[in-house]
Amino acid sequence: GESVGLHLPTLSVQEGDNSIINCAYSNSASDYFIWYKQESGKGPQFIIDIRSNMDKRQGQRVTVLLNKTVKHLSLQIAATQPGDSAVYFCAENGGYSTLTFGKGTMLLVSP
Amino acid sequence: GAVVSQHPSWVICKSGTSVKIECRSLDFQATTMFWYRQFPKQSLMLMATSNEGSKATYEQGVEKDKFLINHASLTLSTLTVTSAHPEDSSFYICSAGSRGGGEGYTFGSGTRLTVV
Repeated sequence: GESVGLHLPTLSVQEGDNSIINCAYSNSASDYFIWYKQESGKGPQFIIDIRSNMDKRQGQRVTVLLNKTVKHLSLQIAATQPGDSAVYFCAENGGYSTLTFGKGTMLLVSP
Repeated sequence: GAVVSQHPSWVICKSGTSVKIECRSLDFQATTMFWYRQFPKQSLMLMATSNEGSKATYEQGVEKDKFLINHASLTLSTLTVTSAHPEDSSFYICSAGSRGGGEGYTFGSGTRLTVV
């Protein structure tokens, strides 16, 4: 389940399952979106990006979906592995190279 | 790919002292660098944006006299936390690059600052 406030929402999955992490963004003028993975004590690591003229983009084991109508972004991870355990952030760019980060979701993958 | 090096990775300092954090772009010229702050279990909050050779632009609520940013070259930006206090203890992360693309937002590995 999820909790709010200072606690990160947490998604717990079994190894091999597919994971879906969701993000609601705020600025309808944002034209570029990025998903980052952050492991404990490290900086964010780029996963995949998408521009507003697209609604889907695929990478290796990851897919990003963009629904501009409801300002929603999702990250799908196929065949989730224990090494995928981390905090995942979506970020939006409103057009001036400045990124605004979402609250983050902690993904926990059990063997 | 683009690499951003941040140093130190962690630092402990006494209250009242100043601490400098460096952020370097190793294989590209960074026209813009961003400094973020992150508290435990929270998201990254942008503190300031700096463009090479000009003054940094600070976000609302960030004290520019306390968090001094220098971006004197296209490969180096520094953040100095002056007269640090325990409430300044946090994870500081830089990002460097030029406009657009995932490479434009490559992040450093972060600096854990603890003020005692």
